[in-house]
Amino acid sequence: DQQVKQNSPSLSVQEGRISILNCDYTNSMFDYFLWYKKYPAEGPTFLISISSIKDKNEDGRFTVFLNKSAKHLSLHIVPSQPGDSAVYFCAASAQDYGGATNKLIFGTGTLLAVQP
Amino acid sequence: GAVVSQHPSRVICKSGTSVKIECRSLDFQATTMFWYRQFPKKSLMLMATSNEGSKATYEQGVEKDKFLINHASLTLSTLTVTSAHPEDSSFYICSARPGPYEQYFGPGTRLTVT
Repeated sequence: DQQVKQNSPSLSVQEGRISILNCDYTNSMFDYFLWYKKYPAEGPTFLISISSIKDKNEDGRFTVFLNKSAKHLSLHIVPSQPGDSAVYFCAASAQDYGGATNKLIFGTGTLLAVQP
Repeated sequence: GAVVSQHPSRVICKSGTSVKIECRSLDFQATTMFWYRQFPKKSLMLMATSNEGSKATYEQGVEKDKFLINHASLTLSTLTVTSAHPEDSSFYICSARPGPYEQYFGPGTRLTVT
């Protein structure tokens, strides 16, 4: 049962354009969402997060949007750069999930390729 | 800030032997650390939650006796893969949490069991 889904396994974008990565979730108990970037054979790097009390959070070129009614969040990267090419994971957390506090449930990842 | 290290980065061992992987939070204290496993082209699978001073909490389907976790201090958690088999070959990643939500990940350990 995949509670956090990233339906696009890959995305290709031209340098300078906007990259939009999407994520859907099913559990309404999730109250905090995070995006991570991962290169092969490395650990994920935290990018940006958003609490369920907000619908937008911005940090430099990265903006995360949350639509709670649709159980959908997206990560916008603008302008996209070749160095952004990596796998992007969204993750969701609930304050009390199955008895353990704040476990992260990861999506399956989207491979972003930014073409020069 | 929020740097997590892992050691070793790569290890090759023979079937039947045990391997220990260390996870350290370098610039913060972490009462909770997490151990993940990643299969090729797959998402991160949470194996267990490591709690300082108490027993780890394992996810369903993860063998406690095979994957021993010790969280001896606020900056160190270890994962020991006991009696390793080739199917244990994988990329193991730890994370630590300075606050309630964001987890910061180590660089990962590539385990190959021959």
